[in-house]
Amino acid sequence: DAGITQSPRHKVTETGTPVTLRCHQTENHRYMYWYRQDPGHGLRLIHYSYGVKDTDKGEVSDGYSVSRSKTEDFLLTLESATSSQTSVYFCAISERGISNQPQHFGDGTRLSIL
Amino acid sequence: EDKVVQSPLSLVVHEGDTVTLNCSYEVTNFRSLLWYKQEKKAPTFLFMLTSSGIEKKSGRLSSILDKKELSSILNITATQTGDSAIYLCAVGQGAQKLVFGQGTRLTINP
Repeated sequence: DAGITQSPRHKVTETGTPVTLRCHQTENHRYMYWYRQDPGHGLRLIHYSYGVKDTDKGEVSDGYSVSRSKTEDFLLTLESATSSQTSVYFCAISERGISNQPQHFGDGTRLSIL
Repeated sequence: EDKVVQSPLSLVVHEGDTVTLNCSYEVTNFRSLLWYKQEKKAPTFLFMLTSSGIEKKSGRLSSILDKKELSSILNITATQTGDSAIYLCAVGQGAQKLVFGQGTRLTINP
């Protein structure tokens, strides 16, 4: 299994509070991704990183920011959480581009915004 | 708008049956098509299909990519209860992005 650790695994918080989710990898892969998974929508890309300090937006980036100061860590921040951001969040990693190699996923973080 | 559509959304069969799951896509700058299996936690990788590799097989699972029809199928023969899961289809777009379908929930009854 790919060495991906997401933390926390579960979190319950209130609307308007800031939340940070962490993804840590031990594979030294260049690419890292954040997805959210909701019923009826499959997995949707929030943001991704193609190197330290290099990030780009996905299809559902509004309300989220990311940072990558080290190869092994990719942080997802909800500046002011809303109930619509209740979801399961998955981190994924990839060594090379998606034409050549699949992404591998962490076990997810279940986030509930009350 | 880029989209990936899987069918059926849900399927219930008996152990030993053969199943075929479908995935169709309309995605710009197609690079690859991937199948994942998701049980309780992380999606786990099954197959990657590209223009240079349109058929893959592993044990009882096989997959074919039809670039003309913009679709793919995932076949599972002699199903077992351990095959019960959500099967996700994803299409690689451009350099880095994956566009996922909604998934097919497969239930294998003993």
